[in-house]
Amino acid sequence: SAVISQKPSRDICQRGTSLTIQCQVDSQVTMMFWYRQQPGQSLTLIATANQGSEATYESGFVIDKFPISRPNLTFSTLTVSNMSPEDSSIYLCSAAAQGHGYTFGSGTRLTVV
Amino acid sequence: QKEVEQDPGPLSVPEGAIVSLNCTYSNSAFQYFMWYRQYSRKGPELLMYTYSSGNKEDGRFTAQVDKSSKYISLFIRDSQPSDSATYLCAMTAGVSSASKIIFGSGTRLSIRP
Repeated sequence: SAVISQKPSRDICQRGTSLTIQCQVDSQVTMMFWYRQQPGQSLTLIATANQGSEATYESGFVIDKFPISRPNLTFSTLTVSNMSPEDSSIYLCSAAAQGHGYTFGSGTRLTVV
Repeated sequence: QKEVEQDPGPLSVPEGAIVSLNCTYSNSAFQYFMWYRQYSRKGPELLMYTYSSGNKEDGRFTAQVDKSSKYISLFIRDSQPSDSATYLCAMTAGVSSASKIIFGSGTRLSIRP
């Protein structure tokens, strides 16, 4: 299955600033996904990122707040913009490798102060 | 009713016991079923990936899918303290960008030495 490197692993940010999270996959994958996980909760899908097209956002998430780039089949970024303390969470990227299920990066633990 | 139901636990068993983790679901379109293990402050790790009904074994882990009952299970044999983690079931109808993964809420498992 695909191996995903995600960085940064954690960050503490000031409110009003932006943070860009990067995910690198060790193989070419068609679909990449971005999730948010609140402490003790399950995963909430933010958006699906396909190479060559705009990301598809889930209800409650908008491009201005969470812009996503997908420049090629092995890389994607998620930016959390104009952060507030409510954005404090774990952010995870995921990729689908055909026949091998969906794998996840190690996550980015974001704290907004 | 949630699409996927999973007992949140916590579940505590002695070392060496057989552990049974379960999820039920309501969407008969689900065909791909996954189990993830998530340690504290880490991303989910894919343990098992199965398609349609049947059993799949990998070392101490066995995944079972009963589509007629809309019920999936993960069995852990000879459980070890290192198996202590949160286990998430997940499922999807397909592997295209139109098919979202639906996660269970996760079961916290503790293996007592």
